Amino acid sequence: AQKITQTQPGMFVQEKEAVTLDCTYDTSDPSYGLFWYKQPSSGEMIFLIYQGSYDQQNATEGRYSLNFQKARKSANLVISASQLGDSAMYFCAMRESVNDMRFGAGTRLTVKP
Amino acid sequence: DVKVTQSSRYLVKRTGEKVFLECVQDMDHENMFWYRQDPGLGLRLIYFSYDVKMKEKGDIPEGYSVSREKKERFSLILESASTNQTSMYLCASSLEFVGGPMNTEAFFGQGTRLTVV
Repeated sequence: AQKITQTQPGMFVQEKEAVTLDCTYDTSDPSYGLFWYKQPSSGEMIFLIYQGSYDQQNATEGRYSLNFQKARKSANLVISASQLGDSAMYFCAMRESVNDMRFGAGTRLTVKP
Repeated sequence: DVKVTQSSRYLVKRTGEKVFLECVQDMDHENMFWYRQDPGLGLRLIYFSYDVKMKEKGDIPEGYSVSREKKERFSLILESASTNQTSMYLCASSLEFVGGPMNTEAFFGQGTRLTVV
């Protein structure tokens, strides 16, 4: 069964606007972590932000924030003030206590000037 | 800085060949992973290892095997390469999930683009 679902294959956003990339997950493990990665056209995987299942507050890292809704099992990435350099593939991932790490299908974000 | 190094950036192999993809990490991480990345499918977990000589199947292990004889090295083996194994292969490493997932983000190598002809 798919554990991480990203329903938006592609998204467009105007430069300087905010954008939300969706991620839902499925687990019965009470302890888990959620991660977002960026993959620019160069191919490298860049870690952006982390949210733990027991964290009371939503994670933030600069222009990135994570809208964590535990009851809905969603962990959406919000990018504020989009820049042209934000154009990339974005992947949501989850770790459970069995030490694996699984990824979603990704969302391709295009920032328009 | 964590460094994860994959032995080749590009490989071209013939159908039926035995193919070895090597991955080395320099941060003493317990966990190592192999993924393949295909358009529209994201990263799919092939195998992962949580300790030396320990391995677990991921979601798509068929046609692959792995070896972890030393902590820093994790090899992916295609016993008999087929054209449907043409893909980008990504290796990653991380700290182990002990007491919680904090600080267990995966660090990735640069990827190996394998073409099987």
